[in-house]
Amino acid sequence: AQRVTQPEKLLSVFKGAPVELKCNYSYSGSPELFWYVQYSRQRLQLLLRHISRESIKGFTADLNKGETSFHLKKPFAQEEDSAMYYCALSGGTDKLIFGTGTRLQVFP
Amino acid sequence: DGGITQSPKYLFRKEGQNVTLSCEQNLNHDAMYWYRQDPGQGLRLIYYSQIVNDFQKGDIAEGYSVSREKKESFPLTVTSAQKNPTAFYLCASSILSTANTGELFFGEGSRLTVL
Repeated sequence: AQRVTQPEKLLSVFKGAPVELKCNYSYSGSPELFWYVQYSRQRLQLLLRHISRESIKGFTADLNKGETSFHLKKPFAQEEDSAMYYCALSGGTDKLIFGTGTRLQVFP
Repeated sequence: DGGITQSPKYLFRKEGQNVTLSCEQNLNHDAMYWYRQDPGQGLRLIYYSQIVNDFQKGDIAEGYSVSREKKESFPLTVTSAQKNPTAFYLCASSILSTANTGELFFGEGSRLTVL
């Protein structure tokens, strides 16, 4: 079965500290993985997708098939990064499976 | 302002009543989705539709019904059979199969409270 696991409900860091939001997935084929973000009082929106190998707002995520992980990283957190982050998996179907989300709090 | 519009934003319902949540998009997207968002459970897929007059059940379809009579509209009815209907409901759309792009465009959501 396809599954996405985000083990941390809440991650708190100070401004300037490195951030890593964990995401593990379960899927036997070649997955498509994504990170979505929801800032306070804003809509849920796509942050980045692994296939693009892009860096958005300083965030990167590398797909590690051996560890079935897709952790989201940023070397220096900013206060405006505070938000709810969801990891999502598309396993060759026409729907996305979301994780339970991690709330990131960045303190000044 | 283009995008996805959900209404109402807040809705109260008595037990035993059906209620319909509206979702309209002017993005000319083919696919539309309904998710339910609960604290600690993330987003769970209720129903989705890729073309007009066709839709598929998601992971938690029991107690819900949908229709897709127009490309722009994908209303969700929460029936009295839904055991725990109090939740935040999110509608989304996409231009292609999500397996290709992964980019869903979301509405602002509708919060349903059953009294």
